[in-house]
Amino acid sequence: DAKTTQPTSMDCAEGRAANLPCNHSTISGNEYVYWYRQIHSQGPQYIIHGLKNNETNEMASLIITEDRKSSTLILPHATLRDTAVYYCIVRVGTNFGNEKLTFGTGTRLTIIP
Amino acid sequence: NAGVTQTPKFQVLKTGQSMTLQCAQDMNHEYMSWYRQDPGMGLRLIHYSVGAGITDQGEVPNGYNVSRSTTEDFPLRLLSAAPSQTSVYFCASRLSAGVTDTQYFGPGTRLTVL
Repeated sequence: DAKTTQPTSMDCAEGRAANLPCNHSTISGNEYVYWYRQIHSQGPQYIIHGLKNNETNEMASLIITEDRKSSTLILPHATLRDTAVYYCIVRVGTNFGNEKLTFGTGTRLTIIP
Repeated sequence: NAGVTQTPKFQVLKTGQSMTLQCAQDMNHEYMSWYRQDPGMGLRLIHYSVGAGITDQGEVPNGYNVSRSTTEDFPLRLLSAAPSQTSVYFCASRLSAGVTDTQYFGPGTRLTVL
C-alpha cells in the first residue's frame, strides 16, 4: 500500500494561495490521490481527487507530478475558514470488495489574518 | 437527506462495559466504514462493509465488532471497553466500493473509557 508524507504544519496569509505538498513515492499505477480536510472536531470533508491529470473544482486544484510520486493541493484564495488539518490519501485495495481509505497525520494549515 | 448520522455524540464508559455506536445513512450507499481518531495518529480504519451482509476488518479491528443487516445501518460494538478505546469515532459512507466515489463522514462520537 502506498504511504503518504506531508509536512506537519503550514501557515498561509489570508487571500494568498495555499500550496500543500504531499509525497507518495510508492504509489502504483491504479491508485488515486485524494485530499480531505478536517475542521476542528468535525468529520473529514472531501476536497478533490485525481489519478494522473491535474484537477480543479470549486474548492481547490490538484497538481500531480508526471511521475505521480508527489502532488500539491492548491487553495487559490485562502480564507480563515480554510484553517484545518488537510489529509493526502492514496487509495489502497483492489477494485472489488476491499476499498478503503487510510488517513495519515495530515498537515495542519493555519490561515493568518 | 440527513446524510450520515451518528449517535450518541458523547459517551463515557467504565472499563469492561459494553455499548454500541450507531451509524446510519439515508443516501442508499453501499459502502460504509468506521474510523477512530487519536491525537497525532490521523484516522485509522476499524471495520468496513461493501454492502449488506458483508463486513471486513480494517487496520485496527481488535476489540470491535460490526454487522450490516441493512444498507442504511452500520453499528459498531464494543464488547468490553478498555481505556485504550478512548477516542473519537467517525462513521463514513460512499455510494459504492468504486474508488472515485466521494466519501461522506458523520459528525463523530467522542468516547471516553475510564
